[in-house]
Amino acid sequence: DTAVSQTPKYLVTQMGNDKSIKCEQNLGHDTMYWYKQDSKKFLKIMFSYNNKELIINETVPNRFSPKSPDKAHLNLHINSLELGDSAVYFCASSQGTETSHGYTFGSGTRLTVV
Amino acid sequence: QQQVKQSPQSLIVQKGGISIINCAYENTAFDYFPWYQQFPGKGPALLIAIRPDVSEKKEGRFTISFNKSAKQFSLHIMDSQPGDSATYFCAANTGASGGSYIPPFGRGTSLIVHP
Repeated sequence: DTAVSQTPKYLVTQMGNDKSIKCEQNLGHDTMYWYKQDSKKFLKIMFSYNNKELIINETVPNRFSPKSPDKAHLNLHINSLELGDSAVYFCASSQGTETSHGYTFGSGTRLTVV
Repeated sequence: QQQVKQSPQSLIVQKGGISIINCAYENTAFDYFPWYQQFPGKGPALLIAIRPDVSEKKEGRFTISFNKSAKQFSLHIMDSQPGDSATYFCAANTGASGGSYIPPFGRGTSLIVHP
């Protein structure tokens, strides 16, 4: 199936740990994104990335960093996890930086920091 | 981050009724207005979208109405069904991204359709 897939689906970890979430898309898209969805369902863009440019939402702490080994993968690495990082994280992709055809989202990773 | 204002935050409708969710935007450079539907435990999925050269787009029971002069657009769900219960997000995008644009989403509307 063509899709955006994320692993793991659930992640429970202690404060201060470092963790990564993996994302892969087989849609041939060349732009990928990470979104954070809080308990009120608000979708907050964290990063937008293609093979040319990384766009960082300035409100994202520098403990969060995207890593892209190739254009089909965009992993999210989080250092020194805090309680407030608990949320659902979504990876998404689109064709080019032109988003006029919408995004395809993964099914999310629920991160719980204890 | 440029805003797209979505209302209401939550909506309860009886089965068979009409659900209406509204969004307003500010940037006249937006040229693509999608709606996303998100079920619990799933990611948002593109439901329907419109471009500003038309005032209405219909796909089955879902209709987008677009008012360019008012900079508003709305999602209408006709004959609402319990299976439509989900969170709905509007967004506003532009093809003229220039590499520095991050499209905004509305804050979401939680729709519950009672049987």
